[in-house]
Amino acid sequence: GAVVSQHPSRVICKSGTSVKIECRSLDFQATTMFWYRQFPKQSLMLMATSNEGSKATYEQGVEKDKFLINHASLTLSTLTVTSAHPEDSSFYICSARGGDRGFEQYFGPGTRLTVT
Amino acid sequence: RKEVEQDPGPFNVPEGATVAFNCTYSNSASQSFFWYRQDCRKEPKLLMSVYSSGNEDGRFTAQLNRASQYISLLIRDSKLSDSATYLCVVSSYGQNFVFGPGTRLSVLP
Repeated sequence: GAVVSQHPSRVICKSGTSVKIECRSLDFQATTMFWYRQFPKQSLMLMATSNEGSKATYEQGVEKDKFLINHASLTLSTLTVTSAHPEDSSFYICSARGGDRGFEQYFGPGTRLTVT
Repeated sequence: RKEVEQDPGPFNVPEGATVAFNCTYSNSASQSFFWYRQDCRKEPKLLMSVYSSGNEDGRFTAQLNRASQYISLLIRDSKLSDSATYLCVVSSYGQNFVFGPGTRLSVLP
């Protein structure tokens, strides 16, 4: 399988601050990256899809001005949670797809965000 | 109706038991099907793809029934390490993955 990393793995921030999460594909070029959110005991919910060099496509109900996504290179996508609130506390997981890896998505280890 | 549905469980089974999970999907245009495994507080990991002819990987067998729009996962000779949440994933060609809510399995000693 392919390797996808996320950083940080865990972050605690105060309400009103912004947090940036990085997702990197380490051994393949990810033409598409996906950002998911998972609340406790619930399944993964797709937030947005980003293709390298273009604007992200957000799922219905996800605020694009609050969750800023940048996919500037084939190996890096970032998700910035702006003006975070306690209800944004969740497990954020990225996945990557592309290159010679076909249609399969490879998941990063996730970032646990706690907003106090 | 949700696009992908699973019985959330939990399924509590003794070691060595055989357990089966089903997953139903609503989009008849779906073409790709997967089972992922997710451990607590970890990312999902691909367990196996599901092919039309059915496929087996060791103790795990996956089957697809397009007519009834469901896929299944059978685990034989359950191990303690099989305890996890099993996610059914469905996708149409070129489209994004849609995850089911997951079925929680606990294998008991």
